[in-house]
Amino acid sequence: DAGVIQSPRHEVTEMGQEVTLRCKPISGHNSLFWYRQTMMRGLELLIYFNNNVPIDDSGMPEDRFSAKMPNASFSTLKIQPSEPRDSAVYFCASAPEAAGAEAFFGQGTRLTVV
Amino acid sequence: GESVGLHLPTLSVQEGDNSIINCAYSNSASDYFIWYKQESGKGPQFIIDIRSNMDKRQGQRVTVLLNKTVKHLSLQIAATQPGDSAVYFCAEKEAGGGYNKLIFGAGTRLAVHP
Repeated sequence: DAGVIQSPRHEVTEMGQEVTLRCKPISGHNSLFWYRQTMMRGLELLIYFNNNVPIDDSGMPEDRFSAKMPNASFSTLKIQPSEPRDSAVYFCASAPEAAGAEAFFGQGTRLTVV
Repeated sequence: GESVGLHLPTLSVQEGDNSIINCAYSNSASDYFIWYKQESGKGPQFIIDIRSNMDKRQGQRVTVLLNKTVKHLSLQIAATQPGDSAVYFCAEKEAGGGYNKLIFGAGTRLAVHP
């Protein structure tokens, strides 16, 4: 199994541009999470899906952020328009639905907004 | 490719010594607690977990202790090795309705010196 796959690994964009981050969870996993990691705030849960349905998006910072999961094997996190304060490492993780199951993280996307 | 930098507490140990990393959690309703290890440029990696109905669980070279009375979790690493150098996060999982999510602590950086 290739694990959770995120793309791109690095993204540099100008302020105001749209950014789309992509994630392919581990096959068979029912839960998918998007996290943001910064020096100041550590790891923050942005949103999580169960069976492709968004369950809790209370961590999404503002309306500029949106996430979709059109099918069990793909999810996107979009920022439009992007701002310098969005610069962070964004992680996607997936987990089986079973209670107590560990979440597997991707390698992350390092986003820099200039 | 660092994860979280300047604001993390750091534990420095000599190679071969035992390490103890502590974590305080906040939610009495959490039913699972997990320790993750994050190396530079990588996503968090599962180490060990413990259910709320247990006080102690042992793995290979690692032991997790849970004190629900004071909402405290610790990770003990025996015979610490240079490869253990990383940032360690505790995470708590709420369970309800069949859906799961992880809430991460701030993290502790472990530095192992030869």
